[in-house]
Amino acid sequence: GAVVSQHPSWVICKSGTSVKIECRSLDFQATTMFWYRQFPKQSLMLMATSNEGSKATYEQGVEKDKFLINHASLTLSTLTVTSAHPEDSSFYICSATRTRDGYTFGSGTRLTVV
Amino acid sequence: QQQVKQSPQSLIVQKGGISIINCAYENTAFDYFPWYQQFPGKGPALLIAIRPDVSEKKEGRFTISFNKSAKQFSLHIMDSQPGDSATYFCAASGNAGNMLTFGGGTRLMVKP
Repeated sequence: GAVVSQHPSWVICKSGTSVKIECRSLDFQATTMFWYRQFPKQSLMLMATSNEGSKATYEQGVEKDKFLINHASLTLSTLTVTSAHPEDSSFYICSATRTRDGYTFGSGTRLTVV
Repeated sequence: QQQVKQSPQSLIVQKGGISIINCAYENTAFDYFPWYQQFPGKGPALLIAIRPDVSEKKEGRFTISFNKSAKQFSLHIMDSQPGDSATYFCAASGNAGNMLTFGGGTRLMVKP
């Protein structure tokens, strides 16, 4: 089956630094990758949609300069949280798909900014 | 605008009982309706999904019932087990884009 690997699974960083999260589709080529943010006991909030080789489409209210998304290949997308602050602490999840109804999620990254 | 409404927010069921979670959607362009299971600290995992051309789909202990006219769909977990204790999300997607719209989630606890 389709497998999506997300790294790191957790990260602690100092306020003001940047953190990069990787999302890889291991056994398929993902035409589209999605990045979500999830607060405790809440649903997944879509942050952005990225297609290989093109700029990501950000949802309303998501700062594209703070959350940099790069989708350089059909198997890799990265999310960089720039100049992180404590309010950026959250659970970030990626998802990859090659067909409209074949979504596979990564295991998530717990980001804590201190 | 919340396009997929999920209820209840939390649910407690005895072992062996039936867990029922309901979702309602507004966008008639939606044509793919998956259910996901999420354990703490993990990403969502696909449980079962349905398209509007069928009214019911069953996979093991999990059944989706779909009512197109009412724009509602539900997940039934038969013979619920403590290992089913997790958060469940319904979702929907349509032709306008390939993004998933999630419901608010249901925290299920199955008591032994």
